[in-house]
Amino acid sequence: SAVISQKPSRDICQRGTSLTIQCQVDSQVTMMFWYRQQPGQSLTLIATANQGSEATYESGFVIDKFPISRPNLTFSTLTVSNMSPEDSSIYLCSVTTYNEGTYNEQFFGPGTRLTVL
Amino acid sequence: SQKIEQNSEALNIQEGKTATLTCNYTNYSPAYLQWYRQDPGRGPVFLLLIRENEKEKRKERLKVTFDTTLKQSLFHITASQPADSATYLCAPAGPGGFKTIFGAGTRLFVKA
Repeated sequence: SAVISQKPSRDICQRGTSLTIQCQVDSQVTMMFWYRQQPGQSLTLIATANQGSEATYESGFVIDKFPISRPNLTFSTLTVSNMSPEDSSIYLCSVTTYNEGTYNEQFFGPGTRLTVL
Repeated sequence: SQKIEQNSEALNIQEGKTATLTCNYTNYSPAYLQWYRQDPGRGPVFLLLIRENEKEKRKERLKVTFDTTLKQSLFHITASQPADSATYLCAPAGPGGFKTIFGAGTRLFVKA
């Protein structure tokens, strides 16, 4: 299994500022994803982080608001830009591998709890 | 559009009994399905993955079934313990094969 770390684990930010969340995996993985989990809700996929190219965003999420980088196979960042209280959520990094024609187990990081005042 | 349904109400059971959680999906056929455990304020923890050509999979006290005809997965915890109390998430693979779609989760309470 992959071990995933995220930094910071939590933060309290002011409206209008930006926060960058880092995700580090202990092994090379095929796919890296960013999810959001709002209070009392299930997980929603924000985007798939692609190595060396622009991320693939899901409906309702845009690059200007959630810029993502993935410079290599083990690291990615998600920035939450121009934050508002509605962005208060847990942000989760997730990874999976692909081999022999199929995807394997998907693992999650511990999450970053963001509170926007 | 794809829809994932889990028991919306919390499940309360007595220690030692078997907990059974249900996951139903509609409008597509996932290639595989995963189950996760999530504790408050923490990221989901992977438990089991079952593929469409597998009927059942076991891991210690856990058992998952996958009925592609009924479009349903059942998740069983045998000999349940208070430490099993958590939210359990059903997560079928998306139509593209890898974009996992998450159910809302079922909250399980195991009483001593």
